[in-house]
Amino acid sequence: QSVLTQPPSASGTPGQRVIISCSGSTSNIGSNYVQWYQQFPGAAPKLLLFRNNQRPSGIPDRFSGSKSGTSASLVISGLRSEDEADYYCAAWDRSQSGIVVFGAGTKLTVL
Amino acid sequence: QVHLQESGPGLVKPSETLSLTCTVSGGYISPDYRDYYSWIRQAPGLGLQWIGCIQFSGSTNYNPSLKSRVSLSLDLANNQFSLNLKSVTAADTAIYFCARRDYDNRFDPWGQGILVTVSS
Repeated sequence: QSVLTQPPSASGTPGQRVIISCSGSTSNIGSNYVQWYQQFPGAAPKLLLFRNNQRPSGIPDRFSGSKSGTSASLVISGLRSEDEADYYCAAWDRSQSGIVVFGAGTKLTVL
Repeated sequence: QVHLQESGPGLVKPSETLSLTCTVSGGYISPDYRDYYSWIRQAPGLGLQWIGCIQFSGSTNYNPSLKSRVSLSLDLANNQFSLNLKSVTAADTAIYFCARRDYDNRFDPWGQGILVTVSS
């Protein structure tokens, strides 16, 4: 069972705005930055956002993030068919001498 | 640009030790104390699980759920870091990824992953 809670699935039509949530606790999201990763079938995860809402170079500004308290969100605007993938949130957790925790992932379907 | 590549056996028998190596190319294992060389795994059809990480100094940090069975090590001469997971069971069947984690907790880059199946 994952420490961070994500909805197992999300969907939208091309052009829509989709929000994927990630819920944690004071020891992880509540006191540390959140990262988001995108994973296509058969591929390694790819860093999508860091420091809650910062995009690495090459990531389009259609992807944005936010954090409030012990929850975070990934927002995908102007949804495209190529956005269909699994999305994972992650954070450092200061409990248990410090560990990295992931969400269970959200499968995004573009209808 | 730094590139990571996992290598090792794709099949391990139950109760034996799973051993994987990650080779860093296009760069080197950084002496920056803020860089952590990590292992993450993904069981078939499931999510990501952080296994642990090691720094240039040799300092390690492990997932408590695996701590009693895991050890990470460095081979700086060959720009490699390794994972040993002992007493494996079918539950350890997964794709194993190596990745570099930095002070911002960013895992980047990642290796392509290697599927390890635990079966007799």
